[in-house]
Amino acid sequence: KQEVTQIPAALSVPEGENLVLNCSFTDSAIYNLQWFRQDPGKGLTSLLLIQSSQREQTSGRLNASLDKSSGRSTLYIAASQPGDSATYLCAASGAGSYQLTFGKGTKLSVIP
Amino acid sequence: GAGVSQTPSNKVTEKGKYVELRCDPISGHTALYWYRQSLGQGPEFLIYFQGTGAADDSGLPNDRFFAVRPEGSVSTLKIQRTERGDSAVYLCASSLGGTGETQYFGPGTRLLVL
Repeated sequence: KQEVTQIPAALSVPEGENLVLNCSFTDSAIYNLQWFRQDPGKGLTSLLLIQSSQREQTSGRLNASLDKSSGRSTLYIAASQPGDSATYLCAASGAGSYQLTFGKGTKLSVIP
Repeated sequence: GAGVSQTPSNKVTEKGKYVELRCDPISGHTALYWYRQSLGQGPEFLIYFQGTGAADDSGLPNDRFFAVRPEGSVSTLKIQRTERGDSAVYLCASSLGGTGETQYFGPGTRLLVL
């Protein structure tokens, strides 16, 4: 059974810093990995999707990497802004599966 | 265009009552998913529809939970004899196809069972 872990559970950084959020998964036979953002009391917003054949994806100030062999993914946020404050969730989709297995998330606070 | 919508946004009910939660997916999306998110946890998969049929309902916790999608668009999650442990945020998502597609989530329905 796939298990997804995110470390740290919470992170506080000053505005302008670059930061990295970590995600690890136990079953390397994933189909893809998605990163989501969740604002308090809201649903999930998809940020990036990395197919199992890809190593990374970029969107604006966000860059996500995937290393299947080590069971890890990272989300890099450049030049953080207060508006980036939210909980970031990663989710792995198993091979041939549409089910997403989520981590518990990392709660990010960017201090002005 | 319109995203995934869910109604109601909040639902308070008493233990033992029946509730229905509605999801309206993005137009043209054939795949629809229900997840449940408890406080401080990531969402957990409940059920997946491809068109009108439930392709995988392995995540439904017990037979009190049931979901339908009769016309391949709107879906309703039904919970009978609600229990306090059913209190959570119920999230719906849709995708254009099935495996490997980006899933787009709605805002969720917050269910509180007293």
